Amino acid sequence: EAGVAQSPRYKIIEKRQSVAFWCNPISGHATLYWYQQILGQGPKLLIQFQNNGVVDDSQLPKDRFSAERLKGVDSTLKIQPAKLEDSAVYLCASSPQTRNGELFFGEGSRLTVL
Amino acid sequence: KQEVTQIPAALSVPEGENLVLNCSFTDSAIYNLQWFRQDPGKGLTSLLLIQSSQREQTSGRLNASLDKSSGRSTLYIAASQPGDSATYLCASKGNYGQNFVFGPGTRLSVLP
Repeated sequence: EAGVAQSPRYKIIEKRQSVAFWCNPISGHATLYWYQQILGQGPKLLIQFQNNGVVDDSQLPKDRFSAERLKGVDSTLKIQPAKLEDSAVYLCASSPQTRNGELFFGEGSRLTVL
Repeated sequence: KQEVTQIPAALSVPEGENLVLNCSFTDSAIYNLQWFRQDPGKGLTSLLLIQSSQREQTSGRLNASLDKSSGRSTLYIAASQPGDSATYLCASKGNYGQNFVFGPGTRLSVLP
């Protein structure tokens, strides 16, 4: 079974530029999450989708971050304009539509903002 | 609001030693708790998931326990190997639909 796929693995941009990350969850997983992980910290939830609807985006900085999940499968996370403090690893995770909610993560996309 | 802590932040042990990693959470109304491993530059790999009704789960050399009343979970690693060197994170999921809250992790080094 293929795991969660993410791209790009690495991205370096200058502040005020824009960037987009892509995620393809495990086939059949209804729930998709985007997390931000700053070096030395645990992941922090940015947004949760159930199929193609947003369940929780309370911690998403909506003035600069946006995310969508097309047709309930792939998802894109965009940052525009980027700030220095956005330098982090952006992790995508998916979960089957069962109540136990076990999380399965991708390899992550490492963003460096100069 | 749930807070999850992991102490120590880093641990170094000689190969072959049995060890325990600790995870503490402030709100005992959890639905389940998941342990992960993260290698440098990689994503998180799920190790064990314990439901709130369970006391422990085992997978190979790993055993995770859960004590909701004391707000603690432990991950026991038997006969540690250099390949076990990684950061270990725990995350708890709330009983009322709240999402997983992650601890900061314990960085483990197993020396040959």
